[in-house]
Amino acid sequence: QVQLKESGPGLVQPSQTLSLTCTVSGFSLTSYNVHWVRQPPGKGLEWMGRMRYNGDTSYNSALKSRLSISRDTSKNQVFLKMNSLQTDDTGTYYCTRDGLLRRGYFDYWGQGVMVTVSS
Amino acid sequence: DTVLTQSPALAVSPGERVSISCRASEGVNSYMHWYQQKPGQQPKLLIYKASNLASGVPARFSGSGSGTDFTLTIDPVEADDTATYFCQQSWNDPYTFGAGTKLELK
Repeated sequence: QVQLKESGPGLVQPSQTLSLTCTVSGFSLTSYNVHWVRQPPGKGLEWMGRMRYNGDTSYNSALKSRLSISRDTSKNQVFLKMNSLQTDDTGTYYCTRDGLLRRGYFDYWGQGVMVTVSS
Repeated sequence: DTVLTQSPALAVSPGERVSISCRASEGVNSYMHWYQQKPGQQPKLLIYKASNLASGVPARFSGSGSGTDFTLTIDPVEADDTATYFCQQSWNDPYTFGAGTKLELK
């Protein structure tokens, strides 16, 4: 069955770099797009960026200067790196899968990983 | 960026029909999708491309609209539908979400 699972540190110091891993199973990264979405506590959802099935990436312009998404298809993993973290980057980070037709709707989500930015 | 505007909250009684609206600041064709999120859980896809029911979602949920105005309808509402509902567009980059509508049952 399709699964996505995020992993990474729960606490990051201000100005440091966040590194998260999304490990997927039940589908191929060379057939589906994988996206990162985040959610501050008690607030709404923000699309961060995507790793396309062909290896191309796209980023939210609001985060583009700080964000990098990469992958290792042999390990079924997608990676997120974001630098210069501030307290308003605190929240739950999700990786999600785009549907088969790649129309930008998210049919499977990971459970999310809570990241707190604090000294 | 495309701003999606949703009503913040609604309260309905079980068995009633409820419509949750989402208005886009610019046209998104039919590329509007709806999610349900319960506390402590990840969002769950309900409706994709305005009116298509996602796999495993009860037929009590339906979606309509095109262009800038979209509606998610639940009929009849059940107690388990207590949640926050988000719309999301994927026609314009960056993809954006509405702020969410919190549905409470009376």
